[in-house]
Amino acid sequence: GAGVSQSPSNKVTEKGKDVELRCDPISGHTALYWYRQRLGQGLEFLIYFQGNSAPDKSGLPSDRFSAERTGESVSTLTIQRTQQEDSAVYLCASSFPLAGDWANVLTFGAGSRLTVL
Amino acid sequence: DQQVKQNSPSLSVQEGRISILNCDYTNSMFDYFLWYKKYPAEGPTFLISISSIKDKNEDGRFTVFLNKSAKHLSLHIVPSQPGDSAVYFCAASHGRTGANNLFFGTGTRLTVIP
Repeated sequence: GAGVSQSPSNKVTEKGKDVELRCDPISGHTALYWYRQRLGQGLEFLIYFQGNSAPDKSGLPSDRFSAERTGESVSTLTIQRTQQEDSAVYLCASSFPLAGDWANVLTFGAGSRLTVL
Repeated sequence: DQQVKQNSPSLSVQEGRISILNCDYTNSMFDYFLWYKKYPAEGPTFLISISSIKDKNEDGRFTVFLNKSAKHLSLHIVPSQPGDSAVYFCAASHGRTGANNLFFGTGTRLTVIP
């Protein structure tokens, strides 16, 4: 597709349930990132994939969070045993490999809004 | 701890006037700064950036000013247009590399009144 696609756009779940959020990056973008924005907060880095390299998971807030990426395509962010503090907009972005002024070539998806009741 | 702060959650400006969005940061190691713009139901898009070796960068109606001693940057939009109404995020990084080295502010919602 022309842009970064995320699904679902909205998800309401009960505390303790698992959720999966999906990201389809722009074709040819080898780098993929997950961020989240909780209410009243800035975007927080969660995880970064670059090609076949080991992902940078340094931003994942707990072991309930995990993410997978198949090659250079779709990524899934999984949150197990959701808690109310997980409520946020989860944003995916993709880009060509990090080099030079990389941050200005991040293309973000519209996000998945997660509400944990 | 919020390393990049946007203390004004919202701003309203008349069409044709100047919009000034402010951003403060705490980490003196930051050397690259960006502004992103976000429309409802869309992801943020890159708007303009500035390196710490400069104090001003201009792109059409958009100018970013950097005051390193005050750890402050601002985005000026002149003249403001209704289509500029959006949420603006300030972001900062050090070393320009590393996805975990990009820190965002909480955003300022700009409304340009026709």
